[in-house]
Formats: sequence, structure tokens, C-alpha cells
Amino acid sequence: NAGVTQTPKFRVLKTGQSMTLLCAQDMNHEYMYWYRQDPGMGLRLIHYSVGEGTTAKGEVPDGYNVSRLKKQNFLLGLESAAPSQTSVYFCASTRKRSGGIQGNEQFFGPGTRLTVL
Amino acid sequence: GQSLEQPSEVTAVEGAIVQINCTYQTSGFYGLSWYQQHDGGAPTFLSYNALDGLEETGRFSSFLSRSDSYGYLLLQELQMKDSASYFCAVSLSYNTDKLIFGTGTRLQVFP
Repeated sequence: NAGVTQTPKFRVLKTGQSMTLLCAQDMNHEYMYWYRQDPGMGLRLIHYSVGEGTTAKGEVPDGYNVSRLKKQNFLLGLESAAPSQTSVYFCASTRKRSGGIQGNEQFFGPGTRLTVL
Repeated sequence: GQSLEQPSEVTAVEGAIVQINCTYQTSGFYGLSWYQQHDGGAPTFLSYNALDGLEETGRFSSFLSRSDSYGYLLLQELQMKDSASYFCAVSLSYNTDKLIFGTGTRLQVFP
């Protein structure tokens, strides 16, 4: 059981280049999220998905696109990278709630460190 | 806007007790979670409160007062391995479980 995995772990891009970050989970979770974390700050939600084929914007979606073609995968794309997108990107997943007031733990991947020059 | 406020840094010695506070102003509220993150690592879930009161999980406890928009994480019998950043996070809705995170509290435990 690998949990949540992210590819790649590190990447350096030049301004204007494009790339795709891949997130995969093997826990059969319905919900998946992409966050970015900048130094000394908390995580900010970029986009999220509540099921295969559905995506929605989070707090900071500009400059990013996402796709969820398969339940287990959630892709984050940068079409034209900018230095302001230098950050650590985390993917997370969680199960769909089934009622009650219990917590709904999000499971995080190890992160992708992206530098845009 | 949405905001969650935490102290930026807390220091303590091994064996001590430390409390990390979190006050929030958000457009929705379904629960307050706490996550731990070691340097270079991924956040990991610690606890969750949906109702007022104290939840205890081993050495860690978490408290919520919805009327005061306030919660705290209590760490007892501190160990060196507890040195990490701690984030509170508000779950905005039942249907999406979107989280809004605080900026984090860095805890340093000294021998």
C-alpha cells in the first residue's frame, strides 16, 4: 500500500516552460486536492476534485489546470511557468464522508519541489 | 476573507506541556483539524474536533469552542521528536472537505 505518491520529486523549469505533476493514490479515495506551500506559510488549496471527471477551483487556481480522468490519479498542469510558482506542491486525498461528525483525515503525498528560473 | 491565526513559534523543554492556539474566521465551518509537519516532510493528521470540547489522543489533545471560533492543540510529555510545525485547518464544508490552513506554529523542543 503506497498511499499517495507524487511524480517528480524535484524539478527546475525556465520561465514559460510547461509541465505536469502527477499524483496517484491507491486508497480508493473519492476526494483529491492540490496544495502549494511557500516558506513560512501554510498550505493553500489550488484545485480539488470530488470524483472522477470533476474538478473545482480552490484559493489560488490562477496559472494552473487540473484533470481527473481516473479515480486514482489527479494531474496538475502549469502551462507557462512563472517564478511566482516556485513552491512545494502537495497532493492529498481523502474518502467521501458517510455521515456523522468524525474527522476526515487527508493523506498527503511527499511533495514536489518546483523551482522556476 | 478567510483567516486562521496561530503563533509563529513556540519553544519548550523535554517533558513539558505546550499549548498551540488557533483562532479562525471562515465563511463556513464543519470542523477543526490539526496537522504535524516535520522539516522536509509531508503534513500528517493529528486530531479533529467537530463539536465543542476536548478530544484526547495519547499525548496530544485538541480543544474546540465554536462560539469563540477558537481551538488549541495540547502536547504533553514533550519529546525531541515533537519538534515540527503544527497547522490548524478548518474544514469548510461536508460535501467537499476543503481545508483552509493556518500559517503554522513552529515548535522547538530543547533537551
